[in-house]
Formats: sequence, structure tokens, C-alpha cells
Amino acid sequence: EPEVTQTPSHQVTQMGQEVILRCVPISNHLYFYWYRQILGQKVEFLVSFYNNEISEKSEIFDDQFSVERPDGSNFTLKIRSTKLEDSAMYFCASTLKVYNTGELFFGEGSRLTVL
Amino acid sequence: LAKTTQPISMDSYEGQEVNITCSHNNIATNDYITWYQQFPSQGPRFIIQGYKTKVTNEVASLFIPADRKSSTLSLPRVSLSDTAVYYCLVGDQAGGGNKLTFGTGTQLKVEL
Repeated sequence: EPEVTQTPSHQVTQMGQEVILRCVPISNHLYFYWYRQILGQKVEFLVSFYNNEISEKSEIFDDQFSVERPDGSNFTLKIRSTKLEDSAMYFCASTLKVYNTGELFFGEGSRLTVL
Repeated sequence: LAKTTQPISMDSYEGQEVNITCSHNNIATNDYITWYQQFPSQGPRFIIQGYKTKVTNEVASLFIPADRKSSTLSLPRVSLSDTAVYYCLVGDQAGGGNKLTFGTGTQLKVEL
């Protein structure tokens, strides 16, 4: 069964450092997403991406965040200067169809710890 | 923005049927209702999606009344491995995007 894969599974970084989280969506999917979940809290939408541009972003997704699809398979989330409050699980997701007629497939997540 | 309300937690025993009800009074005409399951330290996993009446798949059933202001996820004969958080979601069409808005979910605990 095809799946969304994410790397790294866990990254520890110092505050102020840049972090890049990588995702390989399911190959024929067209819509890509990043969500995050702070420990013990709910899953929060960050950004959606379609046709090589951002479709929508939340208020969390400020200038410190960026996304890129550098080639035909990878989808990355970059945090330019990490803060302590960026510590969370980051989930990548993809889907073939728009939401109301399709399911989102989530990866296993990348745990980011900012010290 | 369609907000959902569901119980914070539920307890059950193996072999029982579990019904989790979600309220979504402000659901829009074009919105579908989707349920996801999440185990600790894992990404959410799609369970079932419906628009009205009843939908059934190999793992669950989804009951949606005519007014669509609520929905009930039914898990037949639960096992210990069904212990997880269950999220009810309604499509957020703000800005034309496809974001999912997760609530706090229902923590289901299944015991022997």
C-alpha cells in the first residue's frame, strides 16, 4: 500500500538554527499539506500546497516557515530560525482529490525538539 | 466555519459496539463529514467519510441524520487496538483551500 514517508523521524536542534523536514507524498497525489501537533494538543493545520504554490496557510505559518517541492517527489518544510515553541510533531499529508471527496494520507511524522 | 463538538473521552470493553457522536450545527451544504483515528506519536488515519444517511466500510459505519447537524461513528466489536483518539472533521472551505480543522477529538479507551 502506498504511503507518505517523512524524514527525519526525530530531530533535535538548537534554538535559532534552521531545520528542514522532508516528505515524500504518494506519487500520484496532487495536494500536499503540513500539520503540526504540540505534545498533548490537537493537530493544527499549517499549509496546503497545490500546483507548485501555497493554496492556503494558517496564522502559525509565518515568515519563519517555507515550503518547497524541489523535484517531482519531495515536499519540504523549512523553519528558518527555530524557537522553543516550534517543538512538536510535524505531519506531512497528501491527497489526490480536494477535501470533500477524498481522504488525506498522513505520514508518521517528524518529531522536532528545539533546545 | 463548521465547528465540531464531541465527547472528550469514552471507555469500552472488548467486543462491544462503540458509538461516538459529533455535533456540527453549522455544517455547510457542500461539506462532507470525515472521521480520523490517531494513535500516540502517529499521524491521523482516515476511517470513513459521508455526506448523508449511512456509510459503511470494513472498519466502521457512519450515521448522518437528515439535518446533518450531527453524525455518529459506530465501531463494531472493538478490541484493545482500537484504543486511540477519534476526530470528527467537517470541511473548511475558507479561502477555497482544503485544510482540515481538527478538534480535540474523543479519546477511546478499550479494556479487557
